[in-house]
Amino acid sequence: EDQVTQSPEALRLQEGESSSLNCSYTVSGLRGLFWYRQDPGKGPEFLFTLYSAGEEKEKERLKATLTKKESFLHITAPKPEDSATYLCAVQDNAGNNRKLIWGLGTSLAVNP
Amino acid sequence: SAVISQKPSRDICQRGTSLTIQCQVDSQVTMMFWYRQQPGQSLTLIATANQGSEATYESGFVIDKFPISRPNLTFSTLTVSNMSPEDSSIYLCSVTNQETQYFGPGTRLLVL
Repeated sequence: EDQVTQSPEALRLQEGESSSLNCSYTVSGLRGLFWYRQDPGKGPEFLFTLYSAGEEKEKERLKATLTKKESFLHITAPKPEDSATYLCAVQDNAGNNRKLIWGLGTSLAVNP
Repeated sequence: SAVISQKPSRDICQRGTSLTIQCQVDSQVTMMFWYRQQPGQSLTLIATANQGSEATYESGFVIDKFPISRPNLTFSTLTVSNMSPEDSSIYLCSVTNQETQYFGPGTRLLVL
């Protein structure tokens, strides 16, 4: 059964303190792994899609990487505005099912 | 990407009543999705709304409780029927554009 586990559940950083969020997944065949950011009271905002092991993508202070079992979202020198919940989801490549399997998210707080 | 709007943004309803949530997209899309996000839980797919055919519901969700309309390629509605406090949640509309799912701002529902 497809499954996504994110860790840690919550993370508190000081401004400028770099860290990484983890997304471990189990899927029969990976079509894509997706990272989203969600602010309180808002819908998820798309960040990255990764398709194959070894792939990396960057956007400002964020870099996402992918292996065959997990993905990391690296946050370099975070700022308070990076505080949000970060969600990971995977899509199986079996058949025509485009359903996303979601993790519970990591709640990140960056203190000034 | 896609720009998605939802109405209402939030509502407080009495048990036993029904609420219809509207989702409008700024471009024509083939697939629209409705999700529920309950506190402390991951996003849960309710159904996929396809234009010109009946919605496809996920396990645990039925049409009588969550009827969906999809009259055209830019609009859909989700009705939460005969509500109970357990239906209190955030309801999210989502569309797929070039293999990526984009989300609306959500509708925050509280059932008393």
